[in-house]
Amino acid sequence: AQSVTQPDIHITVSEGASLELRCNYSYGATPYLFWYVQSPGQGLQLLLKYFSGDTLVQGIKGFEAEFKRSQSSFNLRKPSVHWSDAAEYFCARKKSSGDKLTFGTGTRLAVRP
Amino acid sequence: GAVVSQHPSRVICKSGTSVKIECRSLDFQATTMFWYRQFPKQSLMLMATSNEGSKATYEQGVEKDKFLINHASLTLSTLTVTSAHPEDSSFYICSARMPSGDRETQYFGPGTRLLVL
Repeated sequence: AQSVTQPDIHITVSEGASLELRCNYSYGATPYLFWYVQSPGQGLQLLLKYFSGDTLVQGIKGFEAEFKRSQSSFNLRKPSVHWSDAAEYFCARKKSSGDKLTFGTGTRLAVRP
Repeated sequence: GAVVSQHPSRVICKSGTSVKIECRSLDFQATTMFWYRQFPKQSLMLMATSNEGSKATYEQGVEKDKFLINHASLTLSTLTVTSAHPEDSSFYICSARMPSGDRETQYFGPGTRLLVL
């Protein structure tokens, strides 16, 4: 079973529109959750992370994500998308401290002018 | 802080040759680094965990004699693809984590694109 699921392979939004990228995980306990962004031909940049505490976490570049235990989700949001946000977004999780990092399959975001 | 570099950024080699990729933590010491492989339009797959001063831990299905990892210092890990073949062509990305404090977050390098002809 896929431990990290990103249901949307591609998403296209208009510049200035809001964005939500979905991420679901299969492990029951509270995992360590991450969102990374990858521009073409580049490495991964950490946007934000959740370990514990406040379930709404703020990240860089105006992104935020909300951990919902009941839905096993950690969706990434941004209220107003900029053209420079076009990239591949990866959700990742660790089951516990020291566990390896497991990635979802990624969501490619395109931004319409 | 937490900058990770890789060298080279891209390399083209002939089949049968060996290629070395370097991963450096620039502003922190990394006792543990990780090597990933990413195929086009796919996610990252962990190949191995590199520990300073000890042998690397390889994931199932990864040939340790094919992908040699050396972590000789606290800021440098190298991945050598030995006797490279076209099927080894891929994007290789390393990451590193802090030795203390937040040891769960990994910081990634910019990646190395390998093309084997």
